[in-house]
Amino acid sequence: AQTVTQSQPEMSVQEAETVTLSCTYDTSESDYYLFWYKQPPSRQMILVIRQEAYKQQNATENRFSVNFQKAAKSFSLKISDSQLGDAAMYFCAYRSPNNNDMRFGAGTRLTVKP
Amino acid sequence: KAGVTQTPRYLIKTRGQQVTLSCSPISGHRSVSWYQQTPGQGLQFLFEYFSETQRNKGNFPGRFSGRQFSNSRSEMNVSTLELGDSALYLCASSLGGAAGGYTFGSGTRLTVV
Repeated sequence: AQTVTQSQPEMSVQEAETVTLSCTYDTSESDYYLFWYKQPPSRQMILVIRQEAYKQQNATENRFSVNFQKAAKSFSLKISDSQLGDAAMYFCAYRSPNNNDMRFGAGTRLTVKP
Repeated sequence: KAGVTQTPRYLIKTRGQQVTLSCSPISGHRSVSWYQQTPGQGLQFLFEYFSETQRNKGNFPGRFSGRQFSNSRSEMNVSTLELGDSALYLCASSLGGAAGGYTFGSGTRLTVV
């Protein structure tokens, strides 16, 4: 079974600086999809960025980018120019093309200091 | 475009009772998935419905059940509530393929006393 590990329960960053959240996963599949979700205190999970395993190019969405290392099974999220509104729980997730449930990591709580 | 709507937002029930939670997906989305979120266990998959059929199921006891209607709205039912069922229940909708991400609702916070 696929598992997702987020080894950093909490992280903090100074406003306007850069922070990287780590995620590793375990799978025997060659094709799959990876996601980062943000969950602010409002509780709603918001999709931040997604990566398709067959694409070597790292995904980027404005201030959010990923470092996808397929061989190492690593999928880290970099947040540049951190803003107060980035404070939230961040979840890494894996989805197999053959099994439609999404597997989530335990989450990383990000604090942004003004 | 309306988002995923979950009702109610909060619910307090007594042990032994049953509860029904509702989820209306984004228009055009045929897949609805349910997750249970707790501080100790994180996000755990309950089940997924696609075109009124349960397509996938997680490792939860039979007290947890669901269904999907022809308009893609989904309901989740928990019978004989236990204290450990206290959690945030999240509904997520998608078009149905694995490539797309989910769009989540704001969840229903269930407290069992």
